[in-house]
Amino acid sequence: SQQGEEDPQALSIQEGENATMNCSYKTSINNLQWYRQNSGRGLVHLILIRSNEREKHSGRLRVTLDTSKKSSSLLITASRAADTASYFCATDIQTGANNLFFGTGTRLTVIP
Amino acid sequence: EAGVAQSPRYKIIEKRQSVAFWCNPISGHATLYWYQQILGQGPKLLIQFQNNGVVDDSQLPKDRFSAERLKGVDSTLKIQPAKLEDSAVYLCASSLIVNTEAFFGQGTRLTVV
Repeated sequence: SQQGEEDPQALSIQEGENATMNCSYKTSINNLQWYRQNSGRGLVHLILIRSNEREKHSGRLRVTLDTSKKSSSLLITASRAADTASYFCATDIQTGANNLFFGTGTRLTVIP
Repeated sequence: EAGVAQSPRYKIIEKRQSVAFWCNPISGHATLYWYQQILGQGPKLLIQFQNNGVVDDSQLPKDRFSAERLKGVDSTLKIQPAKLEDSAVYLCASSLIVNTEAFFGQGTRLTVV
């Protein structure tokens, strides 16, 4: 079963606006990662946040993590048409296997 | 740095036939993953290797799916016999160690007719 669940399932915004996607997960984690998947392409890693971190930035990306609520958010500022993609959170859960489980994804469309 | 290589890119087979996918991870990466991604869904972990040992294969349908990673480098994933519901993109990923970012290949799109 999927560990994470993204919300919303789909999001459509105008170029230049900010986009916020949320991820909720079920069990304790070592870290949480966000990935992007463009149509017809593989997954690309965006950012990793560890369980003892609360916020992380990378360029136009800002990720927050609230382990008490078992949730994370990804903020993309000043969106561009090229940001159109599906975004997935992936959790490295605290089991012996350190598996990497993906959520259901948010489909982001940025309208030029 | 070369990325994760997968082949073939596309495969169409009839149900009950067998098929094999190949993955060459990034050099030096100890952890290798195989994922199944059905259209419109997130990737589902099938099996995870640490070097040439299986770490987790709890979601691998072992009656028809098998995977190996000989010498801790390349890996193959096999389906025998295939079912219609196996139609999906099969993604291979590798990471230097666990708990770090995973690098994904382009995937193999399998269509079972």
